[in-house]
Amino acid sequence: QKEVEQNSGPLSVPEGAIASLNCTYSDRGSQSFFWYRQYSGKSPELIMFIYSNGDKEDGRFTAQLNKASQYVSLLIRDSQPSDSATYLCAVNSGGFNKFYFGSGTKLNVKP
Amino acid sequence: EADIYQTPRYLVIGTGKKITLECSQTMGHDKMYWYQQDPGMELHLIHYSYGVNSTEKGDLSSESTVSRIRTEHFPLTLESARPSHTSQYLCASSEGLSGLDSKSLFADTQYFGPGTRLTVL
Repeated sequence: QKEVEQNSGPLSVPEGAIASLNCTYSDRGSQSFFWYRQYSGKSPELIMFIYSNGDKEDGRFTAQLNKASQYVSLLIRDSQPSDSATYLCAVNSGGFNKFYFGSGTKLNVKP
Repeated sequence: EADIYQTPRYLVIGTGKKITLECSQTMGHDKMYWYQQDPGMELHLIHYSYGVNSTEKGDLSSESTVSRIRTEHFPLTLESARPSHTSQYLCASSEGLSGLDSKSLFADTQYFGPGTRLTVL
């Protein structure tokens, strides 16, 4: 079982819709959770960070964390074609060598 | 925006050559990382460092070596390049504070360099 699981996609949504990206993790001791966006051929860039149960909003992005269910999600409101990318979920279980990336979900936003 | 740099950005080299991929950051971060990523595939951690004179191997077996003589510099070396080494190499750094407060947890955020795309013929 992988430490961080993501559906590889692609997830296709029309422009203006809400895109919902999901991630599950296996270590109950995980403390902090990150969403990165990676355009094709580019390096990952941080979108959001969350560590408390509940929702955290930043512009069009909302991260949701449910530690009991070991589940973290990213909602993108009013999706734009420029949001088309691979979204990586990352989880830190507290130790130096316990920072794990998921394999990413590819999002396609169609005009 | 993170100040982390990688050179070269692209490298095409023949089998058997020794190569060094450079990574530098100007943020004073203690923790640095090297990842390998094939196109469309997940990131694999190959090396990391807690700080000066600290280096560790990551989850993915790698024939490369690293050094950390200065805080800002974390080069990766392949003694004898092979076609199987063809990949994208990403360097990252994080502040790495200890503790469970929000600032410390956020300090685990990894910032990535632009990457080096290596092709070994």
